[in-house]
Amino acid sequence: GAVVSQHPSWVICKSGTSVKIECRSLDFQATTMFWYRQFPKQSLMLMATSNEGSKATYEQGVEKDKFLINHASLTLSTLTVTSAHPEDSSFYICSALRDYPSDEQFFGPGTRLTVL
Amino acid sequence: AQSVAQPEDQVNVAEGNPLTVKCTYSVSGNPYLFWYVQYPNRGLQFLLKYITGDNLVKGSYGFEAEFNKSQTSFHLKKPSALVSDSALYFCAVAPGYSSASKIIFGSGTRLSIRP
Repeated sequence: GAVVSQHPSWVICKSGTSVKIECRSLDFQATTMFWYRQFPKQSLMLMATSNEGSKATYEQGVEKDKFLINHASLTLSTLTVTSAHPEDSSFYICSALRDYPSDEQFFGPGTRLTVL
Repeated sequence: AQSVAQPEDQVNVAEGNPLTVKCTYSVSGNPYLFWYVQYPNRGLQFLLKYITGDNLVKGSYGFEAEFNKSQTSFHLKKPSALVSDSALYFCAVAPGYSSASKIIFGSGTRLSIRP
């Protein structure tokens, strides 16, 4: 089956620093990847759609200057949380869209971000 | 607007008994419907999906779900629950013809199976 990895699986950082999270599709190419955020005991909220070679599409209410998304290759999308603050602490999950043999999204294991 | 509702925050079932986790949806057109399971501090694991065809969909770990268009429901079921089924379950819908569409998740239902 298709595998999506995320790195790191967890990260602790100081307030004001930036953190980069990687999402990789290991055995398929993905022109489209999605980034989600999940607060404790809540559902997943779509943050943005990442498109290879073009700008990401952000959902309403998501600050694009704070959550920088880069999709530089067909197997890698990165989410950078800039100038992180404690309220950015959350579980971030990515998914990658596999086009063939059937268009289907596969989810990564998630990254736990804690901002002190 | 597209939406998906899971009316129960928690479902408690004794091991060996059948379980049902409810889901209703609201979407224009023909939806893609999904069920995912999440264990603590883990990402989502795909259980099953409905695209078209037979209304009863069989998935992983003995789970199945029934698509009911008239009731706009997609309830998750299992004939005999296991303690290891205890987890957080999400119903989701992708509007339109492609799963490349944005997936909208329900609020989640915590399933607790007691020995």
